[in-house]
Amino acid sequence: QQPVQSPQAVILREGEDAVINCSSSKALYSVHWYRQKHGEAPVFLMILLKGGEQKGHEKISASFNEKKQQSSLYLTASQLSYSGTYFCGTEDAGGTSYGKLTFGQGTILTVHP
Amino acid sequence: DTGVSQNPRHKITKRGQNVTFRCDPISEHNRLYWYRQTLGQGPEFLTYFQNEAQLEKSRLLSDRFSAERPKGSFSTLEIQRTEQGDSAMYLCASSSQGAKNIQYFGAGTRLSVL
Repeated sequence: QQPVQSPQAVILREGEDAVINCSSSKALYSVHWYRQKHGEAPVFLMILLKGGEQKGHEKISASFNEKKQQSSLYLTASQLSYSGTYFCGTEDAGGTSYGKLTFGQGTILTVHP
Repeated sequence: DTGVSQNPRHKITKRGQNVTFRCDPISEHNRLYWYRQTLGQGPEFLTYFQNEAQLEKSRLLSDRFSAERPKGSFSTLEIQRTEQGDSAMYLCASSSQGAKNIQYFGAGTRLSVL
């Protein structure tokens, strides 16, 4: 079962902040965040591991609540380049997934000047 | 490090034909994944290789789909007797076991079945 992302879409002005949420019904080992622009490959942003939190970019950070199987991606002082579709990919706990990621349906972020 | 490379970028075929896609992973990566992505959806797992061994295949994957990774380097994904429902973007990703399994994606092959 895929994780659920919210909101489905966000529209911002440059400089505004946004939060994207990812919620799973399964126990998780890790959460991966990607950004994809139209017609391009998903680009890795950051990974959050069970028992820790890792910041990947300067103005983009994330949190991981293991007990609630939830992760949130925080984008601060948004730039035009932040526009795209954001996906969370989850890796199940238990050690048998071989690193397979299950992706949410995506959140479309649009930043206007 | 030239990134993950996929060929062709676009493939148009008629229903019933066979198609084959190629993925060249980042050279030092021993893990390779195939995903399928349809419009408005996130990537969906198809299959996984560790070196040359295919260790997992999605239960949703039809028997018409087969993948190989000879010698643990590049990989091919073949779809036999294509159907219109196979139309999608096919993405390949690679990672290094032990490096937190951060997966790097190629730009994908867009398949259109007429």
